[in-house]
Amino acid sequence: AQTVTQSQPEMSVQEAETVTLSCTYDTSESDYYLFWYKQPPSRQMILVIRQEAYKQQNATENRFSVNFQKAAKSFSLKISDSQLGDAAMYFCAYRTNRDDKIIFGKGTRLHILP
Amino acid sequence: NAGVTQTPKFQVLKTGQSMTLQCAQDMNHEYMSWYRQDPGMGLRLIHYSVGAGITDQGEVPNGYNVSRSTTEDFPLRLLSAAPSQTSVYFCASSSPGTPSSSSYFGPGTRLTVT
Repeated sequence: AQTVTQSQPEMSVQEAETVTLSCTYDTSESDYYLFWYKQPPSRQMILVIRQEAYKQQNATENRFSVNFQKAAKSFSLKISDSQLGDAAMYFCAYRTNRDDKIIFGKGTRLHILP
Repeated sequence: NAGVTQTPKFQVLKTGQSMTLQCAQDMNHEYMSWYRQDPGMGLRLIHYSVGAGITDQGEVPNGYNVSRSTTEDFPLRLLSAAPSQTSVYFCASSSPGTPSSSSYFGPGTRLTVT
């Protein structure tokens, strides 16, 4: 069965600094997607970044980038120039290309220190 | 497009009562699913559907029923509410098989069972 592990329940970073959130996953599939979702206090699930497993190039979205290590089954999120609005719960998630079943990690709560 | 909508936003039930959480999407997505979010647990899959007339169980299906008579709607029924079903419920939809395929989440329903 697929699993997603986020080993950091909480993290803090100074405003304008860089922070990396860790995620590892386990699967025997070869075709899948990985995601980072942000959940602010409003509770809305917001897609931050997406990585297709067949792509070797790491995805980037403005200040957000990932380090995707397929062999190691690792998918970390780097947030550069942290802003107060980045404070939220972040979930790492996995989905196969066969169906819409998403496996979530337990989340990392990120605090931004002014 | 309204995206994925959920009603109600909040609900309080007494133990043993029944209710239906509504979910609708206007993006013509084939896949729809229901998750529950509990503190420290991330989001866990309850039921999902890959198309009208097709549903299947997820990780935590007990106490919940679903049906999918149309592409747009995917209601979640609690037949006899229990305090263990106190949670935040999210509905999601996606269109499979596209390189940029992502899941879209509704705003969530906070359910309290007393």
